[in-house]
Amino acid sequence: QKEVEQDPGPLSVPEGAIVSLNCTYSNSAFQYFMWYRQYSRKGPELLMYTYSSGNKEDGRFTAQVDKSSKYISLFIRDSQPSDSATYLCAMSAGSNTGKLIFGQGTTLQVKP
Amino acid sequence: SAVISQKPSRDICQRGTSLTIQCQVDSQVTMMFWYRQQPGQSLTLIATANQGSEATYESGFVIDKFPISRPNLTFSTLTVSNMSPEDSSIYLCSVVGIVAKNIQYFGAGTRLSVL
Repeated sequence: QKEVEQDPGPLSVPEGAIVSLNCTYSNSAFQYFMWYRQYSRKGPELLMYTYSSGNKEDGRFTAQVDKSSKYISLFIRDSQPSDSATYLCAMSAGSNTGKLIFGQGTTLQVKP
Repeated sequence: SAVISQKPSRDICQRGTSLTIQCQVDSQVTMMFWYRQQPGQSLTLIATANQGSEATYESGFVIDKFPISRPNLTFSTLTVSNMSPEDSSIYLCSVVGIVAKNIQYFGAGTRLSVL
């Protein structure tokens, strides 16, 4: 079993839809949770960063962490064609090694 | 966040040759990492580049195949040695943020194709 599981999709939605992207994990030591967005032929770009449980909102993006269920989500409201990309969840236990464990990535396409 | 420059951005190489990828950061950083992203896959950590000492490799990656240098706090290189078509991947360097030490920032990557 992988430490981090993420549905690879692809996920296709119409413009304006609400998108929900999810990851589950098995390591209860994870405390830092990140979402990266990766456009085709580009490096991953940090989108959201959350420490421990709770919600964090930034514009059209909301990140949720439920440590009791070992489940994290990224919601995108009013999705736009420019949101079409691969979304990677990543998490860390916060050790001195700085290691991140990544999910497989979900490919999202927002159709105009 | 730091500005990370990777060179080359892409290359096509012949089997059996080696390629050195450079990663330059615009500010001093404590930790630098090298990842591989195979087609359609997520990121796999190759090694942590340690300044002034040997890199720390992850399981499945060895120094003979992926020698890494880090001569100072702003620069690192990854060499892919004796390449085979299986080495065709995107290679990414990342650095840890100065303020939030559990966040990594990535370069644009090097797309390598081995014929």
